[in-house]
Amino acid sequence: DGGITQSPKYLFRKEGQNVTLSCEQNLNHDAMYWYRQDPGQGLRLIYYSQIVNDFQKGDIAEGYSVSREKKESFPLTVTSAQKNPTAFYLCASSIVGGGWEQFFGPGTRLTVL
Amino acid sequence: DAKTTQPTSMDCAEGRAANLPCNHSTISGNEYVYWYRQIHSQGPQYIIHGLKNNETNEMASLIITEDRKSSTLILPHATLRDTAVYYCIVPQDTGTASKLTFGTGTRLQVTL
Repeated sequence: DGGITQSPKYLFRKEGQNVTLSCEQNLNHDAMYWYRQDPGQGLRLIYYSQIVNDFQKGDIAEGYSVSREKKESFPLTVTSAQKNPTAFYLCASSIVGGGWEQFFGPGTRLTVL
Repeated sequence: DAKTTQPTSMDCAEGRAANLPCNHSTISGNEYVYWYRQIHSQGPQYIIHGLKNNETNEMASLIITEDRKSSTLILPHATLRDTAVYYCIVPQDTGTASKLTFGTGTRLQVTL
């Protein structure tokens, strides 16, 4: 089955620790995205990448970092500099230049204690 | 992205049509209207999109007014599984970047 996988579904970390969230896709999409969602709110774009080894900051990139070494993978690191890291994190992918149809993963709920 | 306005919440009886409105009065001529939905604690799911003409697929119909300042997403026979938050989005054309801006959407509750 083609799709996007995010792991783990739930993640707990202590304050001050960096944590990396996994995102893998087998849809052969060039573009990948990371969003953050807080309770009762819409999604906000953190980072996006349109091609391997290149990525751009979204609207709320501070305190986060990403890499795009492989087409299939776009891991997100939540660093200790992120002031309010507890949130629901969603990864998505799409065809570049194919409109705005994005395919989303199931999400990772991060709780920082 | 062009600003969109949606009601905060709506209720619909199972089996009836759910009509979800969206106002996008500042939309420009080449901007599309996209609809996504998000079932609780899951990732959003693309539903449908349109430019000028009405569109229909296996999930829903999209009716866009002639002046394009508003649209309505129609779920013809709502089921309990359609309970979700529905987002109306008018993405800004920034070249190849497919950036989406999600507002707070409409929370649709389908009841027995």
